[in-house]
Amino acid sequence: QKEVEQNSGPLSVPEGAIASLNCTYSDRVSQSFFWYRQYSGKSPELIMSIYSNGDKEDGRFTAQLNKASQYVSLLIRDSQPSDSATYLCAVNNLIKAAGNKLTFGGGTRVLVKP
Amino acid sequence: DAMVIQNPRYQVTQFGKPVTLSCSQTLNHNVMYWYQQKSSQAPKLLFHYYDKDFNNEADTPDNFQSRRPNTSFCFLDIRSPGLGDAAMYLCATSQQGREQFFGPGTRLTVL
Repeated sequence: QKEVEQNSGPLSVPEGAIASLNCTYSDRVSQSFFWYRQYSGKSPELIMSIYSNGDKEDGRFTAQLNKASQYVSLLIRDSQPSDSATYLCAVNNLIKAAGNKLTFGGGTRVLVKP
Repeated sequence: DAMVIQNPRYQVTQFGKPVTLSCSQTLNHNVMYWYQQKSSQAPKLLFHYYDKDFNNEADTPDNFQSRRPNTSFCFLDIRSPGLGDAAMYLCATSQQGREQFFGPGTRLTVL
């Protein structure tokens, strides 16, 4: 079992709809969770970080964390063609000896169709 | 603006010819990372520095080395690049346990 799992997609959504991305992780003591957006040929860009259970909203993005179920999700409201990218889920475990390391999921490719 | 800078953005080298990639940051973060990313794959951590402490990943080939002469700069040395080392190399920085911020990356081509 991979440590961080994402559906590779592509997730195809019509413009203006909500894109829903899911991520599950295996290490129960994980504490910090991040979503990165990566356009083709570019570097990952941090779009959301979440540290406690519940929802966190930032503009059109909402991150949801459920530690009991070991999943974190990202909602993109009013999806735009410019949201077409690969979204990487990343998990940090601060308890491990090298607690600065992120474990990345394989990414979900999102396609927003006009 | 505070940022992570990588140079060069594109590097072409010949098989076996050493190459050095550089990364600098103005964020004053204490941790710096080097990742390798190949097409359609997640970034793969090669190593990281926590201040001056070097942390190598177990599966990072010996062909890859790194130096961090000061807080702001970090270098990735590839001693004898092979065709399989062609990839995007990403530098990232963070404060202990916090978000990582990536530089724009260096695209390495090996001929």
